[in-house]
Amino acid sequence: SYELTQPPSVSVSPGQTARITCFGDVLPKQYAYWYQQKPGQAPMMIIYKDSERPSGIPERFSGSSSGTTVTLTISGVQAEDEADYYCQSSDNSGNYRMFGGGTKVTVL
Amino acid sequence: QVHLEESGGGVVQPGRSLRLSCKVSGFTFSNSGMHWVRQAPGKGLEWLSLISSDATYTYYAHSVKGRFTISRDNSKNTLYLQMSSVSADDMAIYYCAKDPGLAGFYFEFWGQGTLVTVSS
Repeated sequence: SYELTQPPSVSVSPGQTARITCFGDVLPKQYAYWYQQKPGQAPMMIIYKDSERPSGIPERFSGSSSGTTVTLTISGVQAEDEADYYCQSSDNSGNYRMFGGGTKVTVL
Repeated sequence: QVHLEESGGGVVQPGRSLRLSCKVSGFTFSNSGMHWVRQAPGKGLEWLSLISSDATYTYYAHSVKGRFTISRDNSKNTLYLQMSSVSADDMAIYYCAKDPGLAGFYFEFWGQGTLVTVSS
């Protein structure tokens, strides 16, 4: 079965850049998606197809991909960006989905 | 606007069964694949199951295959998850989510979740 691996936590000062990596063997073959989840809320997609940003998502959120690793970058981190972030992908058929373990971003 | 609302959560004893529902509005339910995703307390997201728009195909994560059954009633715009032989590992918030179809392999819209507590 496919797995996605993320660091459990990332700490960053306001205005600095946070980078969250997600590693998985499926990632060269399938797109990755990123979700932001704040306490008590459902997840919200912030990046799709590795690097595309849905409308309404601030430009400081960006995604990139290189081989078996995808990266979510938050440039100019703001206090409101403190949340859990999950990468997500699928098997080749798209019928089986998986999430990374999640990364807690703490704004110092 | 799109709205998904889960219900049916609550306290269930180990080994017993529970059925969750997800009532949707704001999109053509009968044209959409649907998912269940759960999140144990303080833990990450776990995809559980997918059902195709006409219920022809269903898919399950290994952790629930054989114990959980996904189904839908397109006439009622409602998705279901029948949980059986529940254990403490099944205690979680259960979310339903809409599949975006040809747009990609992600979760387009989510409900707010329903909490399942397993306790004797």
